[in-house]
Amino acid sequence: GDSVTQMEGPVTLSEEAFLTINCTYTATGYPSLFWYVQYPGEGLQLLLKATKADDKGSNKGFEATYRKETTSFHLEKGSVQVSDSAVYFCALSAQGAQKLVFGQGTRLTINP
Amino acid sequence: ETGVTQSPTHLIKTRGQQVTLRCSSQSGHNTVSWYQQALGQGPQFIFQYYREEENGRGNFPPRFSGLQFPNYSSELNVNALELDDSALYLCASRHSTGNTEAFFGQGTRLTVV
Repeated sequence: GDSVTQMEGPVTLSEEAFLTINCTYTATGYPSLFWYVQYPGEGLQLLLKATKADDKGSNKGFEATYRKETTSFHLEKGSVQVSDSAVYFCALSAQGAQKLVFGQGTRLTINP
Repeated sequence: ETGVTQSPTHLIKTRGQQVTLRCSSQSGHNTVSWYQQALGQGPQFIFQYYREEENGRGNFPPRFSGLQFPNYSSELNVNALELDDSALYLCASRHSTGNTEAFFGQGTRLTVV
């Protein structure tokens, strides 16, 4: 079945460092890909998405490119802030499917 | 425009009891999904409701059931609670047409003791 694998956390960085969180997926066809963020005590917020190969999703300085050849959707940010500290989830939605399939999440902590 | 709201925010139940969680979908959204998020894990799809009918289900036993009402709000019912049912339960709503974004509520934290 469909699945998403994220890099193991937790990840701890200093402010202004470069961030990469790896995400690879297994799915048939052409799924849509998402990154969600979860701040402490809150639900999930959509950070960015891409619906077809080579699309780049971007929001709040975060970017991810849909790479079908490597089945990847890595999240990047050039300069992280303390306020970026949260848990990040990679997810996919297969064509015609009702559900989102999530990775296990990566906890990110940014130190000042 | 109101977002997705869930109630209650926290709940403690005893093993074997039954629980009902509630979700009000975002204005204009006619599709509601429920997810279970165990501590330290990603959310797992429980089921989805559209036009008051269940139209998709994940790998959860029948003691997990739901309802959707004409105003698109929804309930998740869990019977015969087990300790492993302790989790954050998330509701998400979206519109059924097109590849629209799902908006999540803040969740209900259920603890089974």
